[in-house]
Parts: sequence; C-alpha cells; structure tokens
Amino acid sequence: DVKVTQSSRYLVKRTGEKVFLECVQDMDHENMFWYRQDPGLGLRLIYFSYDVKMKEKGDIPEGYSVSREKKERFSLILESASTNQTSMYLCASSSPGGKNTEAFFGQGTRLTVV
Amino acid sequence: KNEVEQSPQNLTAQEGEFITINCSYSVGISALHWLQQHPGGGIVSLFMLSSGKKKHGRLIATINIQEKHSSLHITASHPRDSAVYICAVKQAGNTGTASKLTFGTGTRLQVTL
Repeated sequence: DVKVTQSSRYLVKRTGEKVFLECVQDMDHENMFWYRQDPGLGLRLIYFSYDVKMKEKGDIPEGYSVSREKKERFSLILESASTNQTSMYLCASSSPGGKNTEAFFGQGTRLTVV
Repeated sequence: KNEVEQSPQNLTAQEGEFITINCSYSVGISALHWLQQHPGGGIVSLFMLSSGKKKHGRLIATINIQEKHSSLHITASHPRDSAVYICAVKQAGNTGTASKLTFGTGTRLQVTL
C-alpha cells in the first residue's frame, strides 16, 4: 500500500516561531509537492521538488522554504510563522513525466499560528 | 476567473440518490483528476482521465475535451460518500518532470439517511 506520511496531523505554533513540516513517501517518487488549502481557494502550490536537492517555487512561495536532502523526504519550513499561515498543508508525490502521472497525497497537517 | 471551476459548491442528497458534480476548465489539459477528501483532510485519487469515461464501483467519471468539461457521477449514494470532491487538471505542455496540477475549489457533498 503506497504511502505519503506527514509528521503531524495538528500543530499549534506561536507567531515568529520557525516551523518544520515533514513529509515522507515510500514509493521512490522523484516529484514531491507542498500545497496549502484554504476555504474557497482550493489547493495552492507552495513549492515542489523534482529531484534530491532540486526545488522550484510554486504559486505562493512567500514566507516558506523547502528542503529535499533525501529522495523520500520533503520538508516545508516556515522561517517565521505568521497568523496568515494558519492553514491545512498537504504534501503529495508522483513519478515523473507523461500525462498519466497519478499524484498521491498525505493526510494533511492542520497548522494554527497564534 | 479560476482556471478550474466546479459546481455546485455544496450538495446535499438523500441516500440512494444519483449525484452529479461538474468541472469546467479554461485551459488545454493533458489529464484531469477527480479527488476525494474526507473530514480530517487526507486526499485520495479517484480517477485520472484524458478522454472518454471511467467507472469504479458506484463512481463514474466522464470528460469532454472539446467542451472542456468533466462530470463525476455517484450512483446509489450512501452517507459514507459524504466528502469534498475536488477536480484538478494537468495543463497541456506541462510534461516536465514535475506534474503540477491546478485545482478546483471542491464540492462539499453531504448524503443523509
């Protein structure tokens, strides 16, 4: 059974804290993604990575950074958390190339910044 | 205007009803996904299609490339079908190593007894 696992289901952090969200996949996928999901806005891409140590900005990268030191792990970092980063964060992975590439999602991390 | 529009935004049905959720998009695509998100957050892929029709159990997905429209049908709906259903497209030409998707805002379905 394929799996994308996010380290936490719920997190509460204080404004200004540095926050790490971890995602691990066991499918040997090259591509990994971080999204945030907000009511009425759907899923929006923050960053993605297509290989170890490779990363590209998505649609809303401001206030975030990422790290991909190993193929199976993709970390999202909030350098200085702010209340407008309160959201549901979803990680996904997929294999590269072609139009028939299915994405697999983690269970989500609901982050509240107070 | 969003590149991917879903309707309705919210849907309530009684158990046993036939349900249709619609997705329209304004860009050329190479594939369209239907996803299901239960309360609690995890997302599961239901279908990925680029033409025609696919069926899995009580779920049917169709796509009309010329009309840039897809539908998700649920036959004999059940309370366990209650979830948010999300349409997502992979834009044509986006065949690079990262398969980026553009998402609709979702349809919240509640099936009651």
